Formats: sequence, C-alpha cells, structure tokens
Amino acid sequence: EAQLVESGGGLVQPGGSLRLSCTASGFSFNNYAMSWVRQAPGKGLEWVSAISDTGGSSYFADSVQGRFTISRDNSKNTVYLQINSLRAEDTAVYFCTRRIDGSGFTPFDCWGQGTLVSVSS
Amino acid sequence: DIQMTQSPSTLSASIGDRVTFTCRASQSIGSWLAWYQQKPGKAPNLLIYRASNLQGGVSSRFSGSGSGREFTLTISSLQPDDFATYYCQQYYEYPYTFGQGTKLEIK
Repeated sequence: EAQLVESGGGLVQPGGSLRLSCTASGFSFNNYAMSWVRQAPGKGLEWVSAISDTGGSSYFADSVQGRFTISRDNSKNTVYLQINSLRAEDTAVYFCTRRIDGSGFTPFDCWGQGTLVSVSS
Repeated sequence: DIQMTQSPSTLSASIGDRVTFTCRASQSIGSWLAWYQQKPGKAPNLLIYRASNLQGGVSSRFSGSGSGREFTLTISSLQPDDFATYYCQQYYEYPYTFGQGTKLEIK
C-alpha cells in the first residue's frame, strides 16, 4: 500500500527556517512527481510546490517563490521542502502528495497525514 | 494563474438527498479537473479525476461531469459519512489551483 509520511514541522519564529521531509513507501517513488500542499488553520487547500520524478524540474506558487526550495533523493524515497524567511502567513499543515509523472495530466492520488508548521514569536 | 471558484460555499442537506456542487475555472482546463473530499483533521481524498472518472474504491454514489470551464460533482443519495468539505482542483497547468471548498453540512 502506498504511504507518505511527513516530518519536520514545528514552532518557528518569524524569519526562521525549517526543512520538511516526506518519505514514501509502497510504490515506485522515482515514477512520481511530488508536491507539497498546505492548509492554513480553518482555510482551504493551497498548492505550494512540485518537483518532477527525476528532480530536474521544480515549480512554486508565487506566494513562496524565492523563499522555498524543493528537492528529492530518490535513493531514500524522500522529498524535502526547505522553507526560509518564514512569515506568520506560512502557518499551516503541510501535506505531501504524489502524481504519476510522464503520463500527461494526472491528479494527486495519495496524500500524507500532514505536518504542522507554526510561525510565531 | 487559473482561478477555481466553487459554489455554494456551504450546503445543508439531509440523509438521502441528492446534492450537486459546482466548480468554475477562469479559463478552459479541458477535462483536467479533480474532486477531493476532506474531513476535519484528515488529508484530502481523491474522489473523481479527469472530471468524470471515479477513483478506485470510491462509492458509485459520487459522479462528476463537465469540461472546459464548468464542472459539477453530484452525490446521489447522501450518507452520514459524506458530510465533509469538497474541493475541486485543476491539474492542467502549474500552479495547480484549488477551489475554496464547499462544506456539506447536515440539515
């Protein structure tokens, strides 16, 4: 069974940094593009960033461009989200999710349970 | 960026009712539209992909339709487990965008 497990969230002061990790199991990780989607408390879903199956391409929402970086290690079945210059509005649960790559347009068919990032002084 | 607009924001309904949600895209996205169900404290769950295809394991009470800019999700006969928030999402191009969600409440 496919599974995604996020880690690395926590309480951080404004301007601080965190690195989130998402470890995959139960499927061929290197066949999937990976994304991070966040959800602020009581709010809707916001796509944040994506990385292709090989790691050769990455994409970011305007709201995080220049502050967030995404990377992956296919040997460890893990995708990372480095979040810098944190702001209060980055407070959210961050979900890791996958979509099969190289097959055209595909939806997010598996999600992790999420990790909470809280930005406060 | 493609904007996704869902209506209504909240829908009150009873067990056994048939309900329909609407999602509109700011530009044509073909059929590259997914619907997700989310319950409080849980991750979203894929229900429908490519506008009208039922994800494996999802009840046949759920159905989707539409193409281009306008899409609908229908639940044919509401069950207690269906009360949740529903999101549409376009995966036609990055940045992938979600609608603001429709919360389905028990009347």
